[in-house]
Amino acid sequence: QSVLTQPPSASGTPGQRVTISCSGGSSNIGSNSVSWYQQFPGTAPKLLIYTNNQRPSGVPDRFSGSKSGTSASLAISGLRSEDEADYYCAAWDVSLNGCVFGGGTKLTVL
Amino acid sequence: EVQLVQSGAEVKKPGESLKISCKVSGYSFTNYWIGWVRQMPGKGLEWMGTIYPGDSDIRYSPSFQGQVTFSADKSITTAYLQWSSLKASDTAMYYCARQYSSGLDSWGQGTLVTVSS
Repeated sequence: QSVLTQPPSASGTPGQRVTISCSGGSSNIGSNSVSWYQQFPGTAPKLLIYTNNQRPSGVPDRFSGSKSGTSASLAISGLRSEDEADYYCAAWDVSLNGCVFGGGTKLTVL
Repeated sequence: EVQLVQSGAEVKKPGESLKISCKVSGYSFTNYWIGWVRQMPGKGLEWMGTIYPGDSDIRYSPSFQGQVTFSADKSITTAYLQWSSLKASDTAMYYCARQYSSGLDSWGQGTLVTVSS
C-alpha cells in the first residue's frame, strides 16, 4: 500500500478536463513539494510537474498541478488520446526520510 | 543534453550477485543527486534511495536498506546499483534518475532484471 493515495483509474473524452488527486499526510505533501510523472507502457517515467505547479520545459500548459494542505492534484485540460498513460505523484516524506510515490492512476481517453 | 544511459537487461539465478550501471552525460555528475526507482511487473514506482556522487552521500529507503548498495565512480560519471544475493522478488525494472529541485527530471531507459532458477 502506497503512502500517497491516488485513484487507480480516471477517464475522460477528448477535449475534456480531467483531474487526478493525490492524498498524503503532514509528513509528506503537508510539508514538502509534490511532483507528477507520466509513464507510457514500456517506457521510463517523464517529469510533468515539479515543486507543486512548475512545468519543465517542453511540457504543454494543458498540464497543471496544485497543492492544498495534505493533498495535491494534476489537471489535464483539452484531453487528447495521446494523454492515455499512467500518472504518479511523489513527495519527500520527512518521517521516512525518503521519497514516496502514489500508487499510480491509469488515465483512459474514451 | 542531459542523458542517463543504463546497462542492458540481465537474467540471473537466485543467490547470484549483480551490479547495474547508469552512465551520465550532459551535466556536472557531482552536483546532482541520482535516485534509483524500482518498478515490479505490472506495479507502480518505488523509490529505493539516492546517492550524491560529489561525496557519495547515500540515503536508502527503509524498504531497501541492507538489500542493495549504491555507489558512484566520478572518473567515468557512472552510478551503480548492486545486489550481493539476488532473490526472485528482485525481478523488476530499475530506473536511475537525476534529482532536480523537487523532482526527478531526467530518467534512464531502465534496466530489466529477471531472477529465475
